[in-house]
Amino acid sequence: GNSVTQMEGPVTLSEEAFLTINCTYTATGYPSLFWYVQYPGEGLQLLLKATKADDKGSNKGFEATYRKETTSFHLEKGSVQVSDSAVYFCALMNSGYSTLTFGKGTMLLVSP
Amino acid sequence: DSGVTQTPKHLITATGQRVTLRCSPRSGDLSVYWYQQSLDQGLQFLIQYYNGEERAKGNILERFSAQQFPDLHSELNLSSLELGDSALYFCASSVGPDTGELFFGEGSRLTVL
Repeated sequence: GNSVTQMEGPVTLSEEAFLTINCTYTATGYPSLFWYVQYPGEGLQLLLKATKADDKGSNKGFEATYRKETTSFHLEKGSVQVSDSAVYFCALMNSGYSTLTFGKGTMLLVSP
Repeated sequence: DSGVTQTPKHLITATGQRVTLRCSPRSGDLSVYWYQQSLDQGLQFLIQYYNGEERAKGNILERFSAQQFPDLHSELNLSSLELGDSALYFCASSVGPDTGELFFGEGSRLTVL
């Protein structure tokens, strides 16, 4: 079946540090990959997505590249801000299916 | 603001009771999803409706049921509640049935005592 594995958090960083949150997946076929973000007290929001191998999704300074050879979709940001503190979820949707499979989420805490 | 409205935001009830959670999707969205979020299980997909019809079913218990009405709003009914049902229940919507681009509401926090 489909599954998504994320690094456990919390990830604690100082402002302007470089961020990497690891995500690997297991799926048959060629899934689409997503990163969602959940700010405190809110629902999830789509951050970025990639639909095929070697695609790079990007938004708000965040990037992730779809690596089929390593079945990974790591999230990166060059310089984090306090406002980036949130829980980040990696997810996949397999072709022929209409639902997302989410990872357990990684909490990011950024201090000034 | 995602445009998805969920009510109530908070609900406290007792074991054995029944509750109904309501969701209004974004204007124009035909697909509605229900997810359960808990600390131990993470984000679990329960059920999806598209234009009034059930499209996909996940880890939804038999004590739970849902429907999508002609005006596209959806309700999730939870019955014979147990302590373990305490969780945050999210509704999400999307334009199509399989885009992966979901818009989430703020959730309904259910506490079962």
